[in-house]
Amino acid sequence: GESVGLHLPTLSVQEGDNSIINCAYSNSASDYFIWYKQESGKGPQFIIDIRSNMDKRQGQRVTVLLNKTVKHLSLQIAATQPGDSAVYFCAENTSGGYQKVTFGTGTKLQVIP
Amino acid sequence: GAVVSQHPSRVICKSGTSVKIECRSLDFQATTMFWYRQFPKQSLMLMATSNEGSKATYEQGVEKDKFLINHASLTLSTLTVTSAHPEDSSFYICSASEGTRRKTDTQYFGPGTRLTVL
Repeated sequence: GESVGLHLPTLSVQEGDNSIINCAYSNSASDYFIWYKQESGKGPQFIIDIRSNMDKRQGQRVTVLLNKTVKHLSLQIAATQPGDSAVYFCAENTSGGYQKVTFGTGTKLQVIP
Repeated sequence: GAVVSQHPSRVICKSGTSVKIECRSLDFQATTMFWYRQFPKQSLMLMATSNEGSKATYEQGVEKDKFLINHASLTLSTLTVTSAHPEDSSFYICSASEGTRRKTDTQYFGPGTRLTVL
């Protein structure tokens, strides 16, 4: 069935280093992907999105890379800060042209001061 | 802009009672609202999608008679957990979108409601 999953459940990174969070998806028909950040006890916060007709998209300190050949996407966070500590979810839109977001399992990012 | 609120943030209730959770879009009109459920250290699972003035569309396995959703206005959706049981204890999160469920419409998430059923 359709699924979106993450490789690493927990990632520890030194403050100032770059972070890379990976995500695999199985539905080759997926064409829209979103990364969310969720802090403890809060709702998800949109970080960045990418359509399948793109390989890379950059935001402020974040970059998303999409490799459709191997059905993999990653979120890169530059100069990781303590405030980046959170759980990060990749998500895909799975329902035709309509909006139905399926969340992956999440990766917890721990920033070491 | 694009703020979504939920009320209450936390609720504790006895088994068998019903609990209503409100989701409001504060500075935009939400044509579509979504309700998710999240167990500890797990991902968000979509429960249902609602459009203003229409019946909600429930995901497979979600009991519509147990989780009543009302999207009566463009700024308010409510989720009522009827006859709550301990297994209904979870973190309930709503999101709202201005669009009519186009794939790229941004969903703005509320802060969540922690439900504990004793």
